[in-house]
Amino acid sequence: DSGVTQTPKHLITATGQRVTLRCSPRSGDLSVYWYQQSLDQGLQFLIQYYNGEERAKGNILERFSAQQFPDLHSELNLSSLELGDSALYFCASSVEGVNEKLFFGSGTQLSVL
Amino acid sequence: GQSLEQPSEVTAVEGAIVQINCTYQTSGFYGLSWYQQHDGGAPTFLSYNGLDGLEETGRFSSFLSRSDSYGYLLLQELQMKDSASYFCAVRGYGGYQKVTFGIGTKLQVIP
Repeated sequence: DSGVTQTPKHLITATGQRVTLRCSPRSGDLSVYWYQQSLDQGLQFLIQYYNGEERAKGNILERFSAQQFPDLHSELNLSSLELGDSALYFCASSVEGVNEKLFFGSGTQLSVL
Repeated sequence: GQSLEQPSEVTAVEGAIVQINCTYQTSGFYGLSWYQQHDGGAPTFLSYNGLDGLEETGRFSSFLSRSDSYGYLLLQELQMKDSASYFCAVRGYGGYQKVTFGIGTKLQVIP
């Protein structure tokens, strides 16, 4: 158990809908990262937050947004969902903003039908 | 930008040694990390090389050559449970740069 909690574990929804994925980092970790992993694909970096502020951005679609709250949990919002958004979404956390050891949650499997 | 290359699949025999290579291109460089991911599971951190040379952690070792933009993960005394995907990852220079992962190498350990 990495200490990073992601909910829900599975999410099935329809095209055009909006969903919110939630992540609670390990106790004491200030940095949260979001990754997307499609079938047989690597981990695509979406966005990183550090202590409530956005720190780094990857190829995150405009339909996607995220935030980190004062209690350090983070939410990834996906809107106007398309079939191609079906993927495993991972959240990871680290102690600092620049730290090579990321602790990953168990992921949220999103299926868009 | 950052890009990494690693083999897509490797097969090795139980008890043997296997090396998974990773070459990278990045504008600035902090270090190279390795992660393991079993099917259906979350990636877990294995090792990090910030300096050239070899880092050893039990049966796993990782190597980095900054001048060659190259690193590898060495797994010794392979066990069936080592069957998994292995990802190399880099963080670009400049502090808050994204951590980029390679496509992953699927290792199959056979009896």
